[in-house]
Amino acid sequence: EDQVTQSPEALRLQEGESSSLNCSYTVSGLRGLFWYRQDPGKGPEFLFTLYSAGEEKEKERLKATLTKKESFLHITAPKPEDSATYLCAVRRPGANNLFFGTGTRLTVIP
Amino acid sequence: SQTIHQWPATLVQPVGSPLSLECTVEGTSNPNLYWYRQAAGRGLQLLFYSVGIGQISSEVPQNLSASRPQDRQFILSSKKLLLSDSGFYLCAWRERESYGYTFGSGTRLTVV
Repeated sequence: EDQVTQSPEALRLQEGESSSLNCSYTVSGLRGLFWYRQDPGKGPEFLFTLYSAGEEKEKERLKATLTKKESFLHITAPKPEDSATYLCAVRRPGANNLFFGTGTRLTVIP
Repeated sequence: SQTIHQWPATLVQPVGSPLSLECTVEGTSNPNLYWYRQAAGRGLQLLFYSVGIGQISSEVPQNLSASRPQDRQFILSSKKLLLSDSGFYLCAWRERESYGYTFGSGTRLTVV
C-alpha cells in the first residue's frame, strides 16, 4: 500500500537553528514529490516539485532534496516567519491527484 | 493571472441541514479541479475531482456530492450534514503538470 510518512510531527527551533524535515514514501513509479507550506486557517502554498533521485530545489532558506525512498526539506537559519505546517505529497502513476502526508508543524522561536 | 476563489470562509451549520460550498477559478480554461478535506491532525483527504464539465470522480463514499456546472466552477454539496462532516474544506486546481496544485483559502465547516 502506498504511504507517505512525515517526521517529526512537530518541531520547535530557535531562530537561526538549522534543521531538516523528513518525508518518506513507498510509491512505485513516483511521478513527482511536492512540498507545500500551510499557515493556520489557510490553504497550502506550493513550494517545490521533485521528480528524480538526486534532484534538489532551493528557495530562500529552504532546500528540498529527493532520494529513492525519502525527501528532506532543509531549513537554514530559520526565522519566526518560517513557522508553519509543511506538507509533503506524491503523485502516483496513473493518478490524477496528489496523496498527502500529515505534515510537520514547525515553530521557530525568536 | 490565474486565481481561485472559495467561499464562505467559515460556516456553522446544524446537523441535518444542507450544504453548498462553491469554488471558482479565473484566468484558465478546462482546469482539473479538486475538493479535499483536512481534519485536525490528519492529512488532506481527496473527496472529489473533475477533469471537465459534468465529470465527477468520487474517491471516498460519504455524505457529500460534487458538481461542475460550468468549466471553472466546482460545487460541494450535502443534503443532510452529519457531525462527522466538520472539517476544513479546500478546493484546488492543477495549473500544469509540474506545479502540483493551487489551493483556495479554504472553508472551515463546523456542524453542531
